[in-house]
Amino acid sequence: GAVVSQHPSRVICKSGTSVKIECRSLDFQATTMFWYRQFPKQSLMLMATSNEGSKATYEQGVEKDKFLINHASLTLSTLTVTSAHPEDSSFYICSATVAGGPRDEQYFGPGTRLTVT
Amino acid sequence: AQSVAQPEDQVNVAEGNPLTVKCTYSVSGNPYLFWYVQYPNRGLQFLLKYITGDNLVKGSYGFEAEFNKSQTSFHLKKPSALVSDSALYFCAVRAGYSSASKIIFGSGTRLSIRP
Repeated sequence: GAVVSQHPSRVICKSGTSVKIECRSLDFQATTMFWYRQFPKQSLMLMATSNEGSKATYEQGVEKDKFLINHASLTLSTLTVTSAHPEDSSFYICSATVAGGPRDEQYFGPGTRLTVT
Repeated sequence: AQSVAQPEDQVNVAEGNPLTVKCTYSVSGNPYLFWYVQYPNRGLQFLLKYITGDNLVKGSYGFEAEFNKSQTSFHLKKPSALVSDSALYFCAVRAGYSSASKIIFGSGTRLSIRP
């Protein structure tokens, strides 16, 4: 099946700094990528949808200036958490898909654990 | 708006017994339903999906789910539980026809299988 990777798997950063998380589709070209956030013992909450070459669409309540998303190529999307604070500590998961019909899949990455100290 | 509900935060089952993890859905239009499993500190693994066709869907690791339109349910089942099935399970609905439509997740059910 299709493989999606994320880098780094874990990152610790100091409050006020920025951190970039990469999401790559390794064996397919992803026209659409999604970014989710998961707090401990909670469900996945969609943050934004990004299409290659265009601006991301953010869900209500997600600050676009804080969570910068770039989908510059068909195999790479990045999420940059700017001026991170401890409340941004979370598990961030991306998914990727080729925009297709109902039988096509979204493929999920392994997640990135962000800890802001 | 599309939504799914998982009424149980936790399900406990003895190894070898059948298991059921419940999910109900609310959709406008055709339902595109999914089950995913998540192990600690890991991403999601796809188990199965219902798009159309047979109401009984078979998936990975011996899991299956039954789509019931009249009860708007999509319960996950397995005839004989394994200790290794212990994990967090998410029911989900896709908001539209295309695979590029967003997926809305339920709150999750923690499945614990005791030896």
